[in-house]
Amino acid sequence: NAGVTQTPKFQVLKTGQSMTLQCAQDMNHNSMYWYRQDPGMGLRLIYYSASEGTTDKGEVPNGYNVSRLNKREFSLRLESAAPSQTSVYFCASSDSGLAGVVDEQFFGPGTRLTVL
Amino acid sequence: ELKVEQNPLFLSMQEGKNYTIYCNYSTTSDRLYWYRQDPGKSLESLFVLLSNGAVKQEGRLMASLDTKARLSTLHITAAVHDLSATYFCAVDLETQGGSEKLVFGKGTKLTVNP
Repeated sequence: NAGVTQTPKFQVLKTGQSMTLQCAQDMNHNSMYWYRQDPGMGLRLIYYSASEGTTDKGEVPNGYNVSRLNKREFSLRLESAAPSQTSVYFCASSDSGLAGVVDEQFFGPGTRLTVL
Repeated sequence: ELKVEQNPLFLSMQEGKNYTIYCNYSTTSDRLYWYRQDPGKSLESLFVLLSNGAVKQEGRLMASLDTKARLSTLHITAAVHDLSATYFCAVDLETQGGSEKLVFGKGTKLTVNP
């Protein structure tokens, strides 16, 4: 099992450009998440998806959109990138929280995004 | 709004010494997680603490949870260089529809010196 995979690993954009970060998991998890990590800030939740077809805002959703394409894939889109979106982006997934199941989140390797 | 505070944010210690990292949080929660992150890498799950009084140990690390005090500790025993990393605690803000909304502390950067 590959676990959680993300593409691309690195990306440089110019202000105003758009791009989509891709995330896929092969653990049959229902829930998926997008975080950003900035120096000294820990991780902050951007959006999450409890199940296929549903998405909800996290702590810092402005400037982002998401799509839960199917159970495996959860993408994050920047429509008009800004320098403030320079960050490392992590995707994560977890089990659905059934009784007796621990909702530990498993993280992907991250995408380092720089917006000039 | 749930706030999660870790102390200290930076920790430099000698090999063989003991130390404790603290994680305080501001609202009721009974689920707390500890993660480790090496430089330039992803987050690796260390411990999942699901109830008051929970204690878990793995090698030189031991984590505990006191939900009444809203406090978790990560204790390091006889530190070795391989433990150098950044450690994050994360608290479950709420569980909705099977998903968890985690709020992370800012992390404790641990450096273990020979």
